[in-house]
Amino acid sequence: ETGVTQSPTHLIKTRGQQVTLRCSSQSGHNTVSWYQQALGQGPQFIFQYYREEENGRGNFPPRFSGLQFPNYSSELNVNALELDDSALYLCASSLDPGQTYEQYFGPGTRLTVT
Amino acid sequence: SQELEQSPQSLIVQEGKNLTINCTSSKTLYGLYWYKQKYGEGLIFLMMLQKGGEEKSHEKITAKLDEKKQQSSLHITASQPSHAGIYLCGADRASYDKVIFGPGTSLSVIP
Repeated sequence: ETGVTQSPTHLIKTRGQQVTLRCSSQSGHNTVSWYQQALGQGPQFIFQYYREEENGRGNFPPRFSGLQFPNYSSELNVNALELDDSALYLCASSLDPGQTYEQYFGPGTRLTVT
Repeated sequence: SQELEQSPQSLIVQEGKNLTINCTSSKTLYGLYWYKQKYGEGLIFLMMLQKGGEEKSHEKITAKLDEKKQQSSLHITASQPSHAGIYLCGADRASYDKVIFGPGTSLSVIP
């Protein structure tokens, strides 16, 4: 068990709605990264937060946004949901941005958009 | 096409058999990671390879990096049901793409 938790486990939303996914990082980890994993694919990097500031972003539109809080929790917000947003969303925490291989992943939130 | 390709896409083996999963990159590999994922769980880090020719083992899992071929292989000896899952390779990129992942190889081990 990595100590990284995510909520909710599963979520069903309708196209056009907004969703907030939550992640609780391992204590002491200042960096959190979010990934989107479509069925049968590897995870794709959405963005990373380091000490409450965005520290890099993948190829995702602005309707994907995030927040990181001082208590090692973070959020991923997605506005105007589209059918293609259906995926497993993973967060991963690490001590520093450079320690990619030392990322500890949460179990994920499975989002279904109908 | 994806930057990291994995083969095979899926694998079903009898318990006790050996197996190999390959990961091929379209770009030069400077570092490669192997992860395992089970349904309902996040990715579990297995090992990281940084130098060409480097080989690492963890229990019955061995991974090797062939930098010239831009390829890595993951070999499981005497497979067990506990080895079942999705194996993902990942490569470090200097850009903010961070880790690029392959599509994964689904492994089933039949008792």
